[in-house]
Amino acid sequence: QQQVRQSPQSLTVWEGGTTVLTCSYEDSTFNYFPWYQQFPGEGPALLISILSVSDKKEDGRFTTFFNKREKKLSLHIIDSQPGDSATYFCAASAWTSSSFSKLVFGQGTSLSVVP
Amino acid sequence: GGIITQTPKFLIGQEGQKLTLKCQQNFNHDTMYWYRQDSGKGLRLIYYSITENDLQKGDLSEGYDASREKKSSFSLTVTSAQKNEMAVFLCASSIRDWGGTSAETLYFGSGTRLTVL
Repeated sequence: QQQVRQSPQSLTVWEGGTTVLTCSYEDSTFNYFPWYQQFPGEGPALLISILSVSDKKEDGRFTTFFNKREKKLSLHIIDSQPGDSATYFCAASAWTSSSFSKLVFGQGTSLSVVP
Repeated sequence: GGIITQTPKFLIGQEGQKLTLKCQQNFNHDTMYWYRQDSGKGLRLIYYSITENDLQKGDLSEGYDASREKKSSFSLTVTSAQKNEMAVFLCASSIRDWGGTSAETLYFGSGTRLTVL
């Protein structure tokens, strides 16, 4: 069964600190890994994504790392801000340019950044 | 930019009741999805529709029906509401760059919050 496991379930960090969220997966055909950010009362929104041909992608304070051998990915947030407090979901799919593949989501991590 | 509109935002039902949730998108996207969000369980796919005349069951389709009325709208029906059920139902849409190199992005609505008494 396709699964994506995410940890921790919840996390509190101090403002200015570094946040690290991790995910692991089982299906070796997965090659596309987006992270979605969800604020209370809103739907998730794409934050950053990576394809398996890369091992790192950076966007401002957010960096996602991919380890194909260990089937793991992580999201690092440097200089964490109270405005980063949200729920974060990792996801995975076996993406191709010619066929449909649905996303499998992790369970989510609730992040709280304390001033 | 576009928007996904889900109605109603809050839905209170009675046990055994048939309940319908509606979703409209103005992105002109081909693919639409219904997800259920429960605390600690992530997002679970209920139904999806790759194109206007398509309907596919997801991992959690039992107890639900769906209908893609037209390209811009996708409805979900809870066939028999379960007592004490509480969940958020999220609608999303996406567009594919067929033959291209960009993997698809899902755009979500803000959800319908269901409570069953």
